[in-house]
Amino acid sequence: AIWMTQSPSLLSASTGDRVTISCRMSQGISSYLAWYQQKPGKAPELLIYAASTLQSGVPSRFSGSGSGTDFTLTISCLQSEDFATYYCQQYYSFPRTFGQGTKVEIK
Amino acid sequence: EVQLVESGGVVVQPGGSLRLSCAASGFTFDDYTMHWVRQAPGKGLEWVSLISWDGGSTYYADSVKGRFTISRDNSKNSLYLQMNSLRTEDTALYYCAKDIDGSGSFDYWGQGTLVTVSS
Repeated sequence: AIWMTQSPSLLSASTGDRVTISCRMSQGISSYLAWYQQKPGKAPELLIYAASTLQSGVPSRFSGSGSGTDFTLTISCLQSEDFATYYCQQYYSFPRTFGQGTKVEIK
Repeated sequence: EVQLVESGGVVVQPGGSLRLSCAASGFTFDDYTMHWVRQAPGKGLEWVSLISWDGGSTYYADSVKGRFTISRDNSKNSLYLQMNSLRTEDTALYYCAKDIDGSGSFDYWGQGTLVTVSS
């Protein structure tokens, strides 16, 4: 199985901040990576797939980058509705795996 | 509008069995690979299983292999997860999720159904 290290696990930030979340793989996965946002009591929502492709309807302040083993999710200007937990997910091989999650909280 | 509605979650004793269902609408169900993903209370996401559009290919997480069986009925636009030999560690909210294009990311999720394994 591919191990994923997502960091940080907790990120304290203010509205308007630029934030970055990292996801590192135990082996290369080309660009087979997705990012999800989950708010309390809700199902996850797809933000980014293929490492950098923005899902339809997702605000452009979200962006993804990277390939191989190192990936980043960036929120360029944090909005109040962005306080949530974020997960990366690889779909290069089975079993599909998720990162441990990053909770973005209000500073 | 794409909708995925899970059902079947209950409280069950360890060693018991359960079948979850997911009713799909708003898209051509038999064109898409489907998944089950679970989330234990207060924990992260864990992929459980995948089934191809025609049911011909299935894959499982090691934690459920040999105990869970994924299936689908394209005539009923429905996805299923048969869960046997349940363990306390199977306690979780179970989501069905639609694959975006067969590659393996999930563009639509249901709201989940809660399975509690407890004596």
